[in-house]
Amino acid sequence: AQSVTQPDIHITVSEGASLELRCNYSYGATPYLFWYVQSPGQGLQLLLKYFSGDTLVQGIKGFEAEFKRSQSSFNLRKPSVHWSDAAEYFCAVARMDSSYKLIFGSGTRLLVRP
Amino acid sequence: GAVVSQHPSRVICKSGTSVKIECRSLDFQATTMFWYRQFPKKSLMLMATSNEGSKATYEQGVEKDKFLINHASLTLSTLTVTSAHPEDSSFYICSARDQSAQGNYGYTFGSGTRLTVV
Repeated sequence: AQSVTQPDIHITVSEGASLELRCNYSYGATPYLFWYVQSPGQGLQLLLKYFSGDTLVQGIKGFEAEFKRSQSSFNLRKPSVHWSDAAEYFCAVARMDSSYKLIFGSGTRLLVRP
Repeated sequence: GAVVSQHPSRVICKSGTSVKIECRSLDFQATTMFWYRQFPKKSLMLMATSNEGSKATYEQGVEKDKFLINHASLTLSTLTVTSAHPEDSSFYICSARDQSAQGNYGYTFGSGTRLTVV
């Protein structure tokens, strides 16, 4: 069965520092992968997605993610974190069947130190 | 871009009453909509998938008689929590699939509804 693992529950970084949020997936074929961000009490905003092609994907707000098939990973990165990036981040994989369901990881809460 | 409007954003209801949550796709047609429940500091749990004009498909363990889903048009899906109890208090989020998006995998989320049952 497909699954998504985000091993870090919380991550704290200083403003201006670089960031990497980890995501590992379990799926037999090439997956459709997504990163979403959620501010408190809000819905989810799409940061970026990977379907095929270039394994380095650029997203909004200066985020990027790299798909590494050999490691079954799709880690999210940002070179310089801003205080406004503090939020919950979810990695997700889409079921490649007629259900089109999204399977979410457990999320990583990002805290930004001033 | 694609926008999904979810209403209400917050609702407080008395135990035993029913609450309806609406989810509208504003500028695209959504043949498929998903309903999630999110507990505090937890991930999103898929409750059900609704397809326009047909019965919703519920995930294992979700009571279909308690969480009624209707997807009567290509732009509107509703979730009704019937005979609500305090344990139904949660954050509910809808998501609409935009099949015109790349690879048919475009998902737009509503802003969520905070339900409190007292």
